[in-house]
Amino acid sequence: RKEVEQDPGPFNVPEGATVAFNCTYSNSASQSFFWYRQDCRKEPKLLMSVYSSGNEDGRFTAQLNRASQYISLLIRDSKLSDSATYLCAVNPLGAAGNKLTFGGGTRVLVKP
Amino acid sequence: DVKVTQSSRYLVKRTGEKVFLECVQDMDHENMFWYRQDPGLGLRLIYFSYDVKMKEKGDIPEGYSVSREKKERFSLILESASTNQTSMYLCASSSPARETQYFGPGTRLLVL
Repeated sequence: RKEVEQDPGPFNVPEGATVAFNCTYSNSASQSFFWYRQDCRKEPKLLMSVYSSGNEDGRFTAQLNRASQYISLLIRDSKLSDSATYLCAVNPLGAAGNKLTFGGGTRVLVKP
Repeated sequence: DVKVTQSSRYLVKRTGEKVFLECVQDMDHENMFWYRQDPGLGLRLIYFSYDVKMKEKGDIPEGYSVSREKKERFSLILESASTNQTSMYLCASSSPARETQYFGPGTRLLVL
């Protein structure tokens, strides 16, 4: 089993709709979680950190479910510019040098 | 704003050549990372460094070496390039206090 897994998609989303997807992790001791956004042929950029209580940044909401060992990302009122690949990243507790393990990414395509 | 730069955006090399990829960050980060990203395989960690002259193997170090002589610079070396090292190479940096990794723009390497 991979340490961090994501549904590769693509998720085809009508503009204005809501889309949500998950990322599962295998190490129950993991403490830190992140969502990154990667545009085609560009580098990943931090979208948001995921806190235990969940967090929201505008149209984006991230949640952590420790019991089931997954994090989720929800995008409301999708824009065409939200089309991208969304990578989750997990830092297992005590990973030296703040090493992150990345999922394979979920591709989201927002269509008019 | 954190800035991570990589020496080349595109590189074409021949099998057997020695290849140097350089990464420089301007935020005084202790941690630096080299990844490769391939379709269907996601981001895979090659090597990382959490201090000058320190290096740790990642998940796929074979065929690669690294050098960190100065805090701001982390070099990835392909001792004898092979066609299976054709890939997108991404450098990242982070500080111990914050686990967020910041990525450079990437180098697309083609080995013929």
